[in-house]
Amino acid sequence: GEDVEQSLFLSVREGDSSVINCTYTDSSSTYLYWYKQEPGAGLQLLTYIFSNMDMKQDQRLTVLLNKKDKHLSLRIADTQTGDSAIYFCAELRSQGNLIFGKGTKLSVKP
Amino acid sequence: DAGITQSPRHKVTETGTPVTLRCHQTENHRYMYWYRQDPGHGLRLIHYSYGVKDTDKGEVSDGYSVSRSKTEDFLLTLESATSSQTSVYFCAISESGTGSYEQYFGPGTRLTVT
Repeated sequence: GEDVEQSLFLSVREGDSSVINCTYTDSSSTYLYWYKQEPGAGLQLLTYIFSNMDMKQDQRLTVLLNKKDKHLSLRIADTQTGDSAIYFCAELRSQGNLIFGKGTKLSVKP
Repeated sequence: DAGITQSPRHKVTETGTPVTLRCHQTENHRYMYWYRQDPGHGLRLIHYSYGVKDTDKGEVSDGYSVSRSKTEDFLLTLESATSSQTSVYFCAISESGTGSYEQYFGPGTRLTVT
């Protein structure tokens, strides 16, 4: 299908790791992205990964890409209450537009 | 949100009236996009522009038109607003020269059509 799929909710305890999963649809997508949206705000680009990579690490963030299964994940180490937000994955289509998942709401409990 | 502003930030309008939303960028990026965000749908592309006077339709373009007469401004017009166009509208910009095509988003406009 056309949809990028994400689970809708994730709840973790402060200090634990969070893993947000995403499956995308277009095997020819060259770039995949993770965005963060806090309440009442726009989308903030967190990180992206090129399709010929299988992992990218940026401080507390680790992105894993399984191109065979079209599966993308975002791991947040040492999750803090400030990480509470909605996280969107997105794939870049050949026309240059992004297709977004519906977002995963991350709740971090103290 | 640096370098991207949207106006107005909030608007309430009546069904059948025309509405224009403005996106302004100071980054001199070539590409500009309009998305709408609705509960249960994530973000969906309405229209985009790949240069001055060059625009194309996105996934949900019916009832919307756009114009780009200057690099820095991208206007979205609802020709005759309907209640189904109540949404949060986001503008985004990107520059293909970076190679990674990442898009940067404005703060959004919350539009309510009564």
